[in-house]
Amino acid sequence: AQSVSQHNHHVILSEAASLELGCNYSYGGTVNLFWYVQYPGQHLQLLLKYFSGDPLVKGIKGFEAEFIKSKFSFNLRKPSVQWSDTAEYFCAVNAQTSGTYKYIFGTGTRLKVLA
Amino acid sequence: ETGVTQTPRHLVMGMTNKKSLKCEQHLGHNAMYWYKQSAKKPLELMFVYNFKEQTENNSVPSRFSPECPNSSHLFLHLHTLQPEDSALYLCASSQEPGNWGETQYFGPGTRLLVL
Repeated sequence: AQSVSQHNHHVILSEAASLELGCNYSYGGTVNLFWYVQYPGQHLQLLLKYFSGDPLVKGIKGFEAEFIKSKFSFNLRKPSVQWSDTAEYFCAVNAQTSGTYKYIFGTGTRLKVLA
Repeated sequence: ETGVTQTPRHLVMGMTNKKSLKCEQHLGHNAMYWYKQSAKKPLELMFVYNFKEQTENNSVPSRFSPECPNSSHLFLHLHTLQPEDSALYLCASSQEPGNWGETQYFGPGTRLLVL
């Protein structure tokens, strides 16, 4: 069965530190890849997505993610985090199953940035 | 961003109660979804509706009963729930389900506690 793994469940960083959140998926076919973010008290919202072309994707608020097909990975990065980046981050895969595309989410990584 | 709204935001119910969760989307989308978000688990897709028709039921127990009277409204009727059903229930919408690169738009969720 398809799955998405986010290995870091909790991450604590100081402001200005660099961030990398891991995401690996298990699916051999063609996929779309997403990172969603849920700020405290707010809706889950799209941060960035990849579906073709340049494997390095840039999203909102200075985030980027790199799709490495050979590693089945789509890690999220930000060179310098801010206190306002405190949130929960979800990786998701949109993969073809039985002729339709389904969303499969990871368990999420809770990021806390210390001011 | 209030594209997808959910009411109530919090709900406490006993195991013998009957209650309903409501979701409304103002984005002109054709597909709506119910997800269950439990601690330390991936988001679990429960139901998918496309143009008011249910296209997916992810082996959800019958104590959860969805209803989609039109493309803008989605309900989740609850009866005789169990304590393990306590979770955050998220509603989402998209232009159409199963499309390539589809972004989903989420509501704020209903935090449900079953006593």
